[in-house]
Amino acid sequence: GESVGLHLPTLSVQEGDNSIINCAYSNSASDYFIWYKQESGKGPQFIIDIRSNMDKRQGQRVTVLLNKTVKHLSLQIAATQPGDSAVYFCAENNAGNMLTFGGGTRLMVKP
Amino acid sequence: DSGVTQTPKHLITATGQRVTLRCSPRSGDLSVYWYQQSLDQGLQFLIQYYNGEERAKGNILERFSAQQFPDLHSELNLSSLELGDSALYFCASSAGGAWGSYEQYFGPGTRLTVT
Repeated sequence: GESVGLHLPTLSVQEGDNSIINCAYSNSASDYFIWYKQESGKGPQFIIDIRSNMDKRQGQRVTVLLNKTVKHLSLQIAATQPGDSAVYFCAENNAGNMLTFGGGTRLMVKP
Repeated sequence: DSGVTQTPKHLITATGQRVTLRCSPRSGDLSVYWYQQSLDQGLQFLIQYYNGEERAKGNILERFSAQQFPDLHSELNLSSLELGDSALYFCASSAGGAWGSYEQYFGPGTRLTVT
């Protein structure tokens, strides 16, 4: 399959461990944030979102934390599985429906 | 499956040529977005259309243009192609509107190779 091929920061974790992927966003006026997962050869896939009036939101095995003071977003994946291996992008909404994407982090899960 | 379709999946063409990429949004979505993903620049927003009208422009070259048709499908036209235009081109859609959903659903992409 095709890979994104970027020179991305890489996080390598052992299967079953928890993963934390971090993202710094740029605009303090951003009011909505999304995490996307992109597997090799596929388009980005929505994982979880959070609005700026929240600090934390939980999904199935994933949690997003938002720290507006330092403009930081994190994605926590519990009990990481081989299928979680992908590139993860954070995105912020700061102008209507336009999303600005971060550079991405490659997550590699070791069996 | 996001519900967003893109054609073709792969496209190989020569420098100087012109190509058209096509996108059909999810049923009911009014907004369509185009992104370019190259090896060294991540996801770059190109342009957004909402219900047939251009809504926002990003880093889109003058050689590139897009439109959204009455049936809401969209086309991205790339002309005078250069080697550096080789990339993955993604279309995304959302419900759109000033107070609508911000969540964007991405298609599988078109891989453009310029030789």
